[in-house]
Amino acid sequence: AQTVTQSQPEMSVQEAETVTLSCTYDTSENNYYLFWYKQPPSRQMILVIRQEAYKQQNATENRFSVNFQKAAKSFSLKISDSQLGDTAMYFCAFMNPTGSARQLTFGSGTQLTVLP
Amino acid sequence: EAQVTQNPRYLITVTGKKLTVTCSQNMNHEYMSWYRQDPGLGLRQIYYSMNVEVTDKGDVPEGYKVSRKEKRNFPLILESPSPNQTSLYFCASSSLGLAGSSIQYFGAGTRLSVL
Repeated sequence: AQTVTQSQPEMSVQEAETVTLSCTYDTSENNYYLFWYKQPPSRQMILVIRQEAYKQQNATENRFSVNFQKAAKSFSLKISDSQLGDTAMYFCAFMNPTGSARQLTFGSGTQLTVLP
Repeated sequence: EAQVTQNPRYLITVTGKKLTVTCSQNMNHEYMSWYRQDPGLGLRQIYYSMNVEVTDKGDVPEGYKVSRKEKRNFPLILESPSPNQTSLYFCASSSLGLAGSSIQYFGAGTRLSVL
């Protein structure tokens, strides 16, 4: 079974600064997907970024980028130029696309607060 | 607009009173799933469905039922709710085609309190 660990329950960052959220995972699979989801106070789950394990290039989406280290099983999220609207709970998630359940396995989340 | 719709958004009930949380998607997705979110535990899968009339258990299925009679709908049924089912529930859907099959789209969540 896969496990996803987010070791930082809470983090804060000053507006316009850069912050990195950590995520590690454990799997014996070679082909999989990794995700970062954002959950603002509205509780909606919003996909921030996706990484396919077979791609060596790190995914980026505007101010959001990842540092994917497959051998180390690490998948951190970097938020540049932090904005007040980035305040949210961030979840790291793993999925094995060949598994019958297509289950997303989530970490416990990191609450990020952007300070004015 | 492509979306996953859950109803109700908030529900307070009492122990033992049967309830159903509805989920509907308009993206013609084959795959649908229910998760519950609890503090410190992230989201955990309750049940999933790969297509009409095909359902299976996730990690935490005890006390829940589902059905998939139509492709667009995937209701979650609590036949005898208990206080330990107080949680935030999410429905999600995904295509099983090659193009976007890794991305799951989530509903807005249902906050359930069982007294």
